[in-house]
Amino acid sequence: NAGVTQTPKFQVLKTGQSMTLQCAQDMNHNSMYWYRQDPGMGLRLIYYSASEGTTDKGEVPNGYNVSRLNKREFSLRLESAAPSQTSVYFCASSLEGAGTGELFFGEGSRLTVL
Amino acid sequence: KQEVTQIPAALSVPEGENLVLNCSFTDSAIYNLQWFRQDPGKGLTSLLLIQSSQREQTSGRLNASLDKSSGRSTLYIAASQPGDSATYLCAVPPSGSARQLTFGSGTQLTVLP
Repeated sequence: NAGVTQTPKFQVLKTGQSMTLQCAQDMNHNSMYWYRQDPGMGLRLIYYSASEGTTDKGEVPNGYNVSRLNKREFSLRLESAAPSQTSVYFCASSLEGAGTGELFFGEGSRLTVL
Repeated sequence: KQEVTQIPAALSVPEGENLVLNCSFTDSAIYNLQWFRQDPGKGLTSLLLIQSSQREQTSGRLNASLDKSSGRSTLYIAASQPGDSATYLCAVPPSGSARQLTFGSGTQLTVLP
């Protein structure tokens, strides 16, 4: 039972490089999310997609773009990475909105920007 | 803006103790409250979901209560075990939204054998 799968698990980038974090869920969920987790800052929402074809900004969207490719997949792109984007990134999904039902998380992607 | 606070930030107890973790939130107009567990280097796992109409929810040795009027929730862990060592986070929807969650910073629990 895969649940929410994120790739890659680890990545090191140089300042200015770009990369895409991939996320897929196999639970037929409508809503998907990208969070970042930093020491002392907790989990902060970057972007979310309430349903296929829609995306909305969260608390900290600057420097990121997202694509809801289909119902299963939700990717997060860093166009020009900065050291401030060093963090652990989590993808999550829920059947409907996260505020109404259980939220399922992936294992996380640890990104270091030098 | 919804703010979620968890106190204490860290807690260390001997095995077998019953313990309570606290969560407070500023906006009581919530749809539900969720408690999560996070092991080091891992993602979050949902433990309990309490709907706004409920007062408590139980799963095994875990019991979560919700008092919307006071903006507080507690997670009670009975007969703690070393395997319970993890960070516990609570989360509620931000003001006026059912689409997102606002997380507390968590309580890091260590259960000593």
